[in-house]
Amino acid sequence: EDQVTQSPEALRLQEGESSSLNCSYTVSGLRGLFWYRQDPGKGPEFLFTLYSAGEEKEKERLKATLTKKESFLHITAPKPEDSATYLCAVQGPRSYSGGSNYKLTFGKGTLLTVNP
Amino acid sequence: NAGVTQTPKFQVLKTGQSMTLQCAQDMNHEYMSWYRQDPGMGLRLIHYSVGAGITDQGEVPNGYNVSRSTTEDFPLRLLSAAPSQTSVYFCASSYYTGTATANNYGYTFGSGTRLTVV
Repeated sequence: EDQVTQSPEALRLQEGESSSLNCSYTVSGLRGLFWYRQDPGKGPEFLFTLYSAGEEKEKERLKATLTKKESFLHITAPKPEDSATYLCAVQGPRSYSGGSNYKLTFGKGTLLTVNP
Repeated sequence: NAGVTQTPKFQVLKTGQSMTLQCAQDMNHEYMSWYRQDPGMGLRLIHYSVGAGITDQGEVPNGYNVSRSTTEDFPLRLLSAAPSQTSVYFCASSYYTGTATANNYGYTFGSGTRLTVV
């Protein structure tokens, strides 16, 4: 069974204080690792998909990296508007059961608060 | 493009009542799914559909029913509401492109329905 563990559960930063969020995963044959941002009272918003170890993707102050066991979401010089819950999810191996090709397993998320 | 639209945004039910949560997408996505989100837990898959007329159970299907008569709509029915079904419900849809070795897709989520069962 696919498993995703995110740490820390909560992180409080000062504006401009860079840090990283961790997503450790166990999956037999990773096809994709996803990062989402979720604001209070809203649905998750897609950020990145990573497919293979060594891959990196960037968007503004965020950079996601991937190894064979974990992914990091690096936040450089964060601003208060970066405050949100960040969710990590994995997609397991391709199967012939149809729906399993789309299924994502989510972690519990990291609540990030950036103080001005 | 509206994306994924969920209605209602808020609902309070009494134990034993039934209701339908609506979900519609206008992106011609083949895959649609329902998740519930509870405090301290990750999003958990309830039911999913890979196309019109095809549905299947996810991780926590008990007490819920779905159907997919069109590509656009994927309603979730609570048959007899229980307090344990108090949660925030999200509908998500996805396209899929690529080969077996290169996948390229993303989920689009709705804004959620906050359900309270008393």
